[in-house]
Amino acid sequence: GESVGLHLPTLSVQEGDNSIINCAYSNSASDYFIWYKQESGKGPQFIIDIRSNMDKRQGQRVTVLLNKTVKHLSLQIAATQPGDSAVYFCAENIEARDYGGSQGNLIFGKGTKLSVKP
Amino acid sequence: DAGITQSPRHKVTETGTPVTLRCHQTENHRYMYWYRQDPGHGLRLIHYSYGVKDTDKGEVSDGYSVSRSKTEDFLLTLESATSSQTSVYFCAISGGASIDTQYFGPGTRLTVL
Repeated sequence: GESVGLHLPTLSVQEGDNSIINCAYSNSASDYFIWYKQESGKGPQFIIDIRSNMDKRQGQRVTVLLNKTVKHLSLQIAATQPGDSAVYFCAENIEARDYGGSQGNLIFGKGTKLSVKP
Repeated sequence: DAGITQSPRHKVTETGTPVTLRCHQTENHRYMYWYRQDPGHGLRLIHYSYGVKDTDKGEVSDGYSVSRSKTEDFLLTLESATSSQTSVYFCAISGGASIDTQYFGPGTRLTVL
């Protein structure tokens, strides 16, 4: 809940501006990445995902960019709204798997707190 | 919350008492996970399950046990709660169209005095 946002890097943007949240991932072998949004007192909410065979993926008002060369992931939010205020964090899957294979684990970043000023 | 409920949502208990948290899903997903979330840390995996009665340890499994007797329920037990287990606990599921995509429940805030 509220404690999730403590001690996190904070991005403050004006309502209507675009937001860019960055994430450096750890494993060059990671093949799947997710962005989550977590509002105060709630569970993480899936926003968008991307696989390593893509550089860019777009959703509704959100775009994820993947730069495998520098192991960097970014989330762009267009026309940021007050309801976008939350902690955002990325996750990487360090093991490929299929239904018959071994369990892959998601490794989560610590997150960035987005604050939208009206 | 993708058809996931957690109970209780809040609990205060004393050191040394047993505590069981329940995760219930209505999605019929194969995989279920328990995480804890603490300030200064990302979500950390405690245990996970890849089917009924099939479970394995995660990164921070010491002091925790789990059970899964039905597809829809995954229980997390603290046999003897300690203050270091004060945390917010999240259940997650995966196994739909993309087995890698995990969906989270609303969380349980546990305080151990």
